[in-house]
Amino acid sequence: DTEVTQTPKHLVMGMTNKKSLKCEQHMGHRAMYWYKQKAKKPPELMFVYSYEKLSINESVPSRFSPECPNSSLLNLHLHALQPEDSALYLCASSQGAGLRNEQFFGPGTRLTVL
Amino acid sequence: QKEVEQNSGPLSVPEGAIASLNCTYSDRGSQSFFWYRQYSGKSPELIMFIYSNGDKEDGRFTAQLNKASQYVSLLIRDSQPSDSATYLCAVNWPSGYSTLTFGKGTMLLVSP
Repeated sequence: DTEVTQTPKHLVMGMTNKKSLKCEQHMGHRAMYWYKQKAKKPPELMFVYSYEKLSINESVPSRFSPECPNSSLLNLHLHALQPEDSALYLCASSQGAGLRNEQFFGPGTRLTVL
Repeated sequence: QKEVEQNSGPLSVPEGAIASLNCTYSDRGSQSFFWYRQYSGKSPELIMFIYSNGDKEDGRFTAQLNKASQYVSLLIRDSQPSDSATYLCAVNWPSGYSTLTFGKGTMLLVSP
C-alpha cells in the first residue's frame, strides 16, 4: 500500500494567520519531503527529512517551518504568508533518502493566501 | 545548474498508438531517473524509474536511459484516452540525498 495522506485538502488563510499542513505515511518510510507546486509548473523541493532530521532546506523563507514529530508524520507550519505562496503543497515519502529511492506523493493541500 | 528539459507539448496521438516522451538533463553524474504522471488537479503518480543504461519495461510502459547522451525517454504502447495527462521527468542529482528536480512536463493527449 503506497499511501501518503495529507490534511487539509484545501486551506484558505489570511496573511496574518498561522496554520499547519499535515502529512502521514504508514509505509515504514524513513524519508519525507515537502514540495511546492504552482499552477502549470513542476513541483519544487522545499525540505528533506531523513530519519526525522532535517537534511535539506532549499533556501525556503522562514515563514515556512517544517517539523517531523516521528517517522510517520511531517508537518509544515505556516505563518505570515504572502499571496504568492498560494500553491499546491505536496508531501512525499521514500524508503530512504538515498538517490535510488522512489518517492511517493500524497494528494496535496491546495493553499490560498488572501 | 540543475536543468531537466522536456518538450511541453501537447503531444497528440491516436488511441492505440505509441507515445514517445523525451527528457534531457544537464548533469552527467546523475544516477536515478523517474517518470511521474500527473492528471489535472491531482498529485504526481510514479509510473517508472530507471537507474541503468538501456531499457526497462513495465506493462505498457518502457523507460529508456542513455547516460552518455544525458537522455531518458518514456514509451507508452497501446495508448489509451486515460493516459492523457502531463508526464513529468524527474532526476536525482549526484548529491548525498534524494533531491528530485522535475522537468516542466509534457502534456499527452490521446484521442479516441
